[in-house]
Amino acid sequence: NAGVTQTPKFQVLKTGQSMTLQCAQDMNHNSMYWYRQDPGMGLRLIYYSASEGTTDKGEVPNGYNVSRLNKREFSLRLESAAPSQTSVYFCASSEERNYNSPLHFGNGTRLTVT
Amino acid sequence: QQQVKQSPQSLIVQKGGISIINCAYENTAFDYFPWYQQFPGKGPALLIAIRPDVSEKKEGRFTISFNKSAKQFSLHIMDSQPGDSATYFCAASGTSGGYQKVTFGTGTKLQVIP
Repeated sequence: NAGVTQTPKFQVLKTGQSMTLQCAQDMNHNSMYWYRQDPGMGLRLIYYSASEGTTDKGEVPNGYNVSRLNKREFSLRLESAAPSQTSVYFCASSEERNYNSPLHFGNGTRLTVT
Repeated sequence: QQQVKQSPQSLIVQKGGISIINCAYENTAFDYFPWYQQFPGKGPALLIAIRPDVSEKKEGRFTISFNKSAKQFSLHIMDSQPGDSATYFCAASGTSGGYQKVTFGTGTKLQVIP
C-alpha cells in the first residue's frame, strides 16, 4: 500500500520555467491538499480539493494552479517559477473534510528555482 | 499572522530524559489539536491528537497536555530515545468553508543524544 506518492522527488528550475508536481493517493480519500514547507514557517496550505471536481485556494495560492484529475490524482502547476517558490512541497490526503480526519502526507518534492 | 505559536525551535535532550514542546493558539474555533512527527526526507505523520474537552491524552511515551483557558497545549516525550530525533509540528484544526483547515506551528527539531 503506497499511500500518497509524489513525483518528482527533486527538481531544479530556472526563473520563468514551468512544471507540474504530481500527486496520487491509493487510499480512496475524498480530500487532497498541497502544502509548502519553508524553514521557520511550518507548513502552509497552497490549494485543497475537498472532493473530486472541486478545488479551492488556501493561504498562499499566488503563482500556483491545481487540477484534481480524478479521485486519486491532484497536481500542482507552477506556470512561471520564481526564486520565492523554492521550497519543499507536500501533497496530503484525508478521508473526510472533518476536523479530526488525519492528514496523510507524501514524502515531498524539493524544488529549487534559480 | 502566526495563529499557532510553537517553541522551542530546537531541542537537545539526553537519552532517557523528558522532551517538552509547547504550543499556543489564538483562534477559539479550533476544535482538534494534532501533533505530527517528521523524519528527514519524509512527510509529516500523525503522532497523537487531542480534543479540547480533554485535558490530557497519553499514548505510550507520548503525552499531550491541554489547557483550554490558556489556549496552550504541549507534547511531552518521556524516556526520550535517539529514534525520537525528528521535527515535531503542533497543529490546530477546524472545519471551515467546507474543508478541514489545519494550521501548523513552525516546528521543533528534536535531537536525542545517547
